[in-house]
Amino acid sequence: GENVEQHPSTLSVQEGDSAVIKCTYSDSASNYFPWYKQELGKGPQLIIDIRSNVGEKKDQRIAVTLNKTAKHFSLHITETQPEDSAVYFCAAPRDSWGKLQFGAGTQVVVTP
Amino acid sequence: SQTIHQWPATLVQPVGSPLSLECTVEGTSNPNLYWYRQAAGRGLQLLFYSIGIDQISSEVPQNLSASRPQDRQFILSSKKLLLSDSGFYLCAWTVNPNTEAFFGQGTRLTVV
Repeated sequence: GENVEQHPSTLSVQEGDSAVIKCTYSDSASNYFPWYKQELGKGPQLIIDIRSNVGEKKDQRIAVTLNKTAKHFSLHITETQPEDSAVYFCAAPRDSWGKLQFGAGTQVVVTP
Repeated sequence: SQTIHQWPATLVQPVGSPLSLECTVEGTSNPNLYWYRQAAGRGLQLLFYSIGIDQISSEVPQNLSASRPQDRQFILSSKKLLLSDSGFYLCAWTVNPNTEAFFGQGTRLTVV
C-alpha cells in the first residue's frame, strides 16, 4: 500500500517569508496529490491539488510541485500571513476507490 | 451547493457507554463517504469507507462500526466505548475517486 512521509512536522516562519513542506510517497502508480489545510477545531479543507500529468500548479500564493521520478511533491507558500498558520496535510491515493493516505501533518506558525 | 453536516460537535461519554455519530450530505447523490479519526490534532486515520447504501468497508478492526441506512447518511457507532476511542472524528465525502474530499467540522469525543 501507499506510504506518505511528510516533513517537517513543525515550521515557524516570519510573516512575509516563504514556507515549504515536502512529502514523499511510495506507490509509483499514484496520480493525484492533494494538500489540505486544517485550522484548529475544524475539518481539513483542500487548498490545492496536482495530478501526475503536470509538474507544477500555482494558485495565488500557493504552489505545488511534483517530481514523479523521485516520488515527492512539495507545497510552497509565499508571502506568508498570520492566517496561514494551521496544520497542513499532504495525501496520496491508497487505491482506485479514492481512499487517501495522509501524511502526518505540518504545524505552520507564522509570526508577525 | 453541496454541504456536509456532522454532529454533535463535542461529546463526553463514560467508558462502556454506546456511541452514535451522524453525518449527512446535501446537494449531491451517491457520494463516497468516509469516517476518519484524528488523534492529537494530527494524522488522519481512515476508519470506514462506503460507496453506497449498505456497502461499507472497514479499514481498521476495532471497537467501532459504521452504517449507511440512506444514500447521504453515514453513522459511526459503538456498543461499548473504550478510553482509547477518544479523538476527533471526521466525516468526509467525494464525488469520484481522486477528487476533492469535503470534510465535516468534526466531533471531539472524550471518553472518561
